[in-house]
Amino acid sequence: EPEVTQTPSHQVTQMGQEVILRCVPISNHLYFYWYRQILGQKVEFLVSFYNNEISEKSEIFDDQFSVERPDGSNFTLKIRSTKLEDSAMYFCASDSGHPYEQYFGPGTRLTVT
Amino acid sequence: SQQGEEDPQALSIQEGENATMNCSYKTSINNLQWYRQNSGRGLVHLILIRSNEREKHSGRLRVTLDTSKKSSSLLITASRAADTASYFCAARYNTDKLIFGTGTRLQVFP
Repeated sequence: EPEVTQTPSHQVTQMGQEVILRCVPISNHLYFYWYRQILGQKVEFLVSFYNNEISEKSEIFDDQFSVERPDGSNFTLKIRSTKLEDSAMYFCASDSGHPYEQYFGPGTRLTVT
Repeated sequence: SQQGEEDPQALSIQEGENATMNCSYKTSINNLQWYRQNSGRGLVHLILIRSNEREKHSGRLRVTLDTSKKSSSLLITASRAADTASYFCAARYNTDKLIFGTGTRLQVFP
């Protein structure tokens, strides 16, 4: 069964460093998303991406965040200058459009020290 | 706010019992999706129910939707220890993003 994959599973970085989180969405899907979950809290939407551009972003997704689909398979989230409060589990998701079932990857646990 | 709430926050039952979790949302939805999350792991998609549907089944799972009350429930029948996890509802409103509820932590004792 096709699934969303994410790498790395765990990333430790120092405050101020740049990180890139990688995702491979399900191959025939058209809509891509990043969410995050701070430990013990709700899953929060960050950004949605369709047709090679951002379709929606949340207030969390400020100028330090960017997304890219550099080729036909990868979808990346870059955080330019990490802060302690960026520590969270980051989930990538994708869907094919109707019926809009979003499938999530296993997540990347980002720890900023 | 469109964010939903779920109750109970935590639920403990014995194997073989049924577990019911509820989710509320604030405004009209396009669909509502339920997910399971084992501790520290990813989100597993369980069921999607559209706004024009009232009930859906998948194996031991039954989801209902009451749009007049803006609420949904997830019923797990004949629970197993392996069902121990957190369960989240997520509402899709008028855009593509999902708004997640606070989740219910289910503990099933053997």
